[in-house]
Amino acid sequence: DAKTTQPPSMDCAEGRAANLPCNHSTISGNEYVYWYRQIHSQGPQYIIHGLKNNETNEMASLIITEDRKSSTLILPHATLRDTAVYYCIVRPDYGQNFVFGPGTRLSVLP
Amino acid sequence: EPEVTQTPSHQVTQMGQEVILRCVPISNHLYFYWYRQILGQKVEFLVSFYNNEISEKSEIFDDQFSVERPDGSNFTLKIRSTKLEDSAMYFCASSDGPGANEQFFGPGTRLTVL
Repeated sequence: DAKTTQPPSMDCAEGRAANLPCNHSTISGNEYVYWYRQIHSQGPQYIIHGLKNNETNEMASLIITEDRKSSTLILPHATLRDTAVYYCIVRPDYGQNFVFGPGTRLSVLP
Repeated sequence: EPEVTQTPSHQVTQMGQEVILRCVPISNHLYFYWYRQILGQKVEFLVSFYNNEISEKSEIFDDQFSVERPDGSNFTLKIRSTKLEDSAMYFCASSDGPGANEQFFGPGTRLTVL
């Protein structure tokens, strides 16, 4: 079973920042936090990952709390095309597969 | 940009029939995966494959399932005798290393078993 907890759904206004929370209170020291998303019924798409430091790439920022028990994915300027299900996943650095939970369904509203 | 491709996009079959789902991973990737997603449910891991061997599989991947890399480009998932509950979207993915941070997923094959 997935080791993360996410709200089932969220709304965000277009152009505003979308902040998606994730709880992973049982995360182990060798486990990374990953974010993927799935637009409609397409294949999941990698967004970002981190261990303990905050990370940023062209798609998003990842903020991990100091105790690593929770994190937040930030889409700085959400667009309609960001409407998707967002998955927060923890996985050890030697892991092969990803265990997807139900994720958060983000709706970006015009 | 390189991408994973899958064929067919939609496969309809009768219960008890064999189906083969095909995938072309990204050309320099060495690790291959199959996942499935029953309509309205979670994405579930089925199997990972490296160096012509299964490296990990889930309890879903029973004797009815098999995988093969028949040539240098294709990666296939065979379901020997389909059941109604095999109806799902099947996603192929590939990565360039074990434990790679990013797995690249294909668009999926929707399998409908009647």
